[in-house]
Parts: sequence; structure tokens; C-alpha cells
Amino acid sequence: AQKITQTQPGMFVQEKEAVTLDCTYDTSDQSYGLFWYKQPSSGEMIFLIYQGSYDEQNATEGRYSLNFQKARKSANLVISASQLGDSAMYFCAMREYTNAGKSTFGDGTTLTVKP
Amino acid sequence: ETGVTQTPRHLVMGMTNKKSLKCEQHLGHNAMYWYKQSAKKPLELMFVYSLEERVENNSVPSRFSPECPNSSHLFLHLHTLQPEDSALYLCASSHSGQSQETQYFGPGTRLLVL
Repeated sequence: AQKITQTQPGMFVQEKEAVTLDCTYDTSDQSYGLFWYKQPSSGEMIFLIYQGSYDEQNATEGRYSLNFQKARKSANLVISASQLGDSAMYFCAMREYTNAGKSTFGDGTTLTVKP
Repeated sequence: ETGVTQTPRHLVMGMTNKKSLKCEQHLGHNAMYWYKQSAKKPLELMFVYSLEERVENNSVPSRFSPECPNSSHLFLHLHTLQPEDSALYLCASSHSGQSQETQYFGPGTRLLVL
């Protein structure tokens, strides 16, 4: 089974609206980290936000927030007030404590922001 | 100087060539990684170095040979590659190899093997 599942290959959002990108994960570890990265067409992977498995509050970084539902094993990314520059590929990733901290990435979601 | 740099940004090579990819991090991290990103595939972890020692080799063919001379530099030596090796090669670093540590990526090298 895939460890990270991103079910939305592509998403569209109107400029200035909010959008949620889905991510579910599979692990038997109690200690793990969840990450979201943005990859523009230039190729660079840009770190956006991190959520630790023991963090009780949802992580927020500016316009990015992570909707962490541990029991459901989901870690959805919410982007508020979308901007044209948010158009990119978005990857959800997980690092497990027992897996020597190696990262597993999802297949990604391509987000297109419409003017 | 940006956090993680990679050179060259683009590389075209024949199957008989030998080339090297270079990665340098200026973040004071102790762990470095090589990833391969092929079209329509998730990122594949290739190698992990922690404190200059290789701690992971993810069944990568021997035509890829990593080298980590110090905690700031990571190389990927390439020889007799195949066309299917064409991909974006991303380098990353983190403070340590622990699960809570964020990995920071370089801009990548786009490799085309003819």
C-alpha cells in the first residue's frame, strides 16, 4: 500500500479563494513528521509547512495551514487567499522515526490558480 | 548564498560519458540526500549521508556513485548511463536524519541522457 496518497492529480482555484489539497498517510509509527512542499515549474522543492505527530495544534505558516486529523491519518494543506504564484505542483511527504527518517513522497497535486 | 545549491542546472550527456553532479549546502546540516524525480513518478530516494557516512543506498544501480567528502558537499558521479536515467536529480539536506527534521532542497539538475 502507498504510504502517502494524494488523490487529486489536478486542482483549480479562483484567485483570492481558499483551496484544500488532500493527503492521507499510512504508518504504524507513533513518531513521524508530515511535510508539504511546493514545486514550481523551475523544479526546486520549496518547504512550506511541517506537522509533528505529537503536535496537538494544527501547523500554520502565513497563508498555509495544515489540517491534521491523526485518527483519520490525514494531513490536508489549506491555502488561503490563493495567488497566481501559487500555481505549482504540491507534494505531501512523511518521515517515520523507525525508518531512519527517510522521506516518502506522494504523487503530487498540480494546482492552477485562475485569475 | 542560498541554502542548497546544485550544479550544473542542466546536463546533456551521452551514454558513454562520465559526469558529476555537485551539491553544496550552507545551512550547517549534517545529513544530505540524493533524490531522483522522473516524469509522472513520485520522488525516489537514492542515497542518504549522515555525518559524511552513507547510511542508505536504495538499490541504486552502480552507474550512480555518490561521494560525500564533508558535511557541506555531496557529489553524484555518473557513468555509462541509460536513457531511462533522464530525470530531475534533487539534492536535499537536513540538520540530522531524524523524522522531525525538515529537508531543504536544492534547485535540481535536469539530466538528459542521449
